[in-house]
Amino acid sequence: QQQVKQSPQSLIVQKGGISIINCAYENTAFDYFPWYQQFPGKGPALLIAIRPDVSEKKEGRFTISFNKSAKQFSLHIMDSQPGDSATYFCAASTYNTDKLIFGTGTRLQVFP
Amino acid sequence: DAGVIQSPRHEVTEMGQEVTLRCKPISGHNSLFWYRQTMMRGLELLIYFNNNVPIDDSGMPEDRFSAKMPNASFSTLKIQPSEPRDSAVYFCASRPTTGGAGTQYFGPGTRLLVL
Repeated sequence: QQQVKQSPQSLIVQKGGISIINCAYENTAFDYFPWYQQFPGKGPALLIAIRPDVSEKKEGRFTISFNKSAKQFSLHIMDSQPGDSATYFCAASTYNTDKLIFGTGTRLQVFP
Repeated sequence: DAGVIQSPRHEVTEMGQEVTLRCKPISGHNSLFWYRQTMMRGLELLIYFNNNVPIDDSGMPEDRFSAKMPNASFSTLKIQPSEPRDSAVYFCASRPTTGGAGTQYFGPGTRLLVL
């Protein structure tokens, strides 16, 4: 019940295309859903996060869509760029705790 | 403003040797986390501290692993004795007092290879 399932494992997108990464969870106590971006040789960095009281959050080319009833959330990267090539992790937690449960990661490659 | 600092960045050691990884969290952050990342298991939380006190060490794989946080600006993760299966990238992260669990700031990691 503590797991966060992430798909796909890897994704190849052409420059200008839309990248979509999906995550699902079981624990209904989760109420905070961040996405992290990790470049090779670097630590993960917080990209964008959402709480379940909204269905969508947008920051620039990055959008989180959240479906509370389905217990699913997804990251959309619009107009994908080669510089977006990285590994993306979804995660979940309860807001007032410290533990983050990470998904297994998606390696995104954007080709020019 | 300096981020989370980890040392060493790379460590190569032989099986059976003691390994000590070090972390300096961002000043003013009161929570500190140690993670391990491998291809097979992804990102695993090993242990975390609040105000220098260990809160949850359920992710520590076995007694060979230990972590300490003697003060707010320093933490260590020790593996004794090390084994080849401990080869991984170890990350330290810190979190400010305000903000939820998602606002963790990761260091650059220590890449450990045990031969």
